[in-house]
Amino acid sequence: DTAVSQTPKYLVTQMGNDKSIKCEQNLGHDTMYWYKQDSKKFLKIMFSYNNKELIINETVPNRFSPKSPDKAHLNLHINSLELGDSAVYFCASSQEGRTVNTEAFFGQGTRLTVV
Amino acid sequence: GIQVEQSPPDLILQEGANSTLRCNFSDSVNNLQWFHQNPWGQLINLFYIPSGTKQNGRLSATTVATERYSLLYISSSQTTDSGVYFCAAPDMRFGAGTRLTVKP
Repeated sequence: DTAVSQTPKYLVTQMGNDKSIKCEQNLGHDTMYWYKQDSKKFLKIMFSYNNKELIINETVPNRFSPKSPDKAHLNLHINSLELGDSAVYFCASSQEGRTVNTEAFFGQGTRLTVV
Repeated sequence: GIQVEQSPPDLILQEGANSTLRCNFSDSVNNLQWFHQNPWGQLINLFYIPSGTKQNGRLSATTVATERYSLLYISSSQTTDSGVYFCAAPDMRFGAGTRLTVKP
């Protein structure tokens, strides 16, 4: 009974293609995030959504577009894939409190390889 | 956003040794988390610790929010403790991590 699940786990694709990564959480959280982890292991936040509303939008190429159909899902669509997009992408979720967010949980990651 | 600095960047221990990892924040925090990324890439929750001290087996964490830092203590380290340890600020920005290698 996975709390935060991402699909696919592995994705190999050619440069120039468009691909999507899906994320779903069953924790009842209202906030979801996407991270990119490069080869040096740095976890960089890309986006966060709260109740389907974009909250954080870091300096990310506009080829990356998050889509949140409901608060349990946050998908990441990437257009015109480039070699530099190769990385592990993580989804996470938490609950926004009045004064403090709750504990966040991560999916297992999606390893994207662009060839 | 809050800047997060972790130290040391790398740490090599002999099995059985103790260690302290540190996380400094650029502003006071009202919650923070420690994670362990194991060699298979999984991000495992260790502590959600807004303030004070928590213990879980051989691991414990202390956060002093007003002084903008948190410490993670690992006692009697084991080879399975190897991996990267991250702390995350309330806005879910991460430090660069501490890469721990425990040798048998």
